[in-house]
Amino acid sequence: QVQLQESGPGLVKPSQTLSLTCTVSGGSISGGAYYWSWIRQHPGKGLEWIGYISSSGSTYYNSSLESRVTISIDTSKNQFSLKLSSVTGADTAVYYCARAPRAVSKIDSWGQGTLVTVSS
Amino acid sequence: ADQLTQSPSSLSASVGDRVTITCRASQAISNTLAWYQQKPGRAPKVLISDASTLESGVPSRFSGSGSGTDFTLTISSLQPEDFATYYCQQFSIYGFAFGPGTRVDIK
Repeated sequence: QVQLQESGPGLVKPSQTLSLTCTVSGGSISGGAYYWSWIRQHPGKGLEWIGYISSSGSTYYNSSLESRVTISIDTSKNQFSLKLSSVTGADTAVYYCARAPRAVSKIDSWGQGTLVTVSS
Repeated sequence: ADQLTQSPSSLSASVGDRVTITCRASQAISNTLAWYQQKPGRAPKVLISDASTLESGVPSRFSGSGSGTDFTLTISSLQPEDFATYYCQQFSIYGFAFGPGTRVDIK
C-alpha cells in the first residue's frame, strides 16, 4: 500500500519561501497513472487544493495561488515538492501531499500532514 | 473556478439517526464528485467517489447520490465513529475543489 510522507521546515519567516517534499513509498511515482497533489488546511478551516503534477511534469495550480506556487517532481527519488513564495501569516496551515488516480476524480491516498507556521 | 457549497454547515444528531448532507455545484458537473470524512488531527478519508461509488472498506450505511448540480451524502444510521467533518470534492478542468465542510456533532 502506498504511503506518502511530508517533510520540511515547520517554521518559515514572512516573505520567505515555504519548501516541502513528499516522499512516496510502497509504489512508484512514475508511470503516469496519478496526479501528485498538494492540499492545505488552515487551522480550524476547510481544505484548499494547491496544485498537482503528473509524472511527466505537467502541472496545474489553483488560480488563487498560481503566481506563488511551484510543484516539481523527482522520479529518481520517488519524491515531489512544493515551493510557495512570499509567504505571509495567511499561509500558516497544515500541508498535505496526496495522490489522485487520473482515471477517477478522487484523492485516494494522503500524507499525515505537516503544520507550517509563518512567523518572524 | 468551480465552487461547491454544502448544507448544513453543521448538525447535531444522535446515534441511530439518518443524516443527509447536501453539496451543490455552481454549474452542472458530471459525476466527478467525491465525499470525504475527516476526524480531528487526521487526514481526510475518501468515502464515496464518482458521486455514488462506495469505496472499499467503507460501511454500507454511507451512500451517495445526485447529478447535475445537486449531490447528497447519506448516513443511514449514525454510529459513534461517524462524528466528524464531511467534505465534498469535485474534479474539473480547473483542478480539484472542495466544499466548505459539514461538521456532525453528537446531540
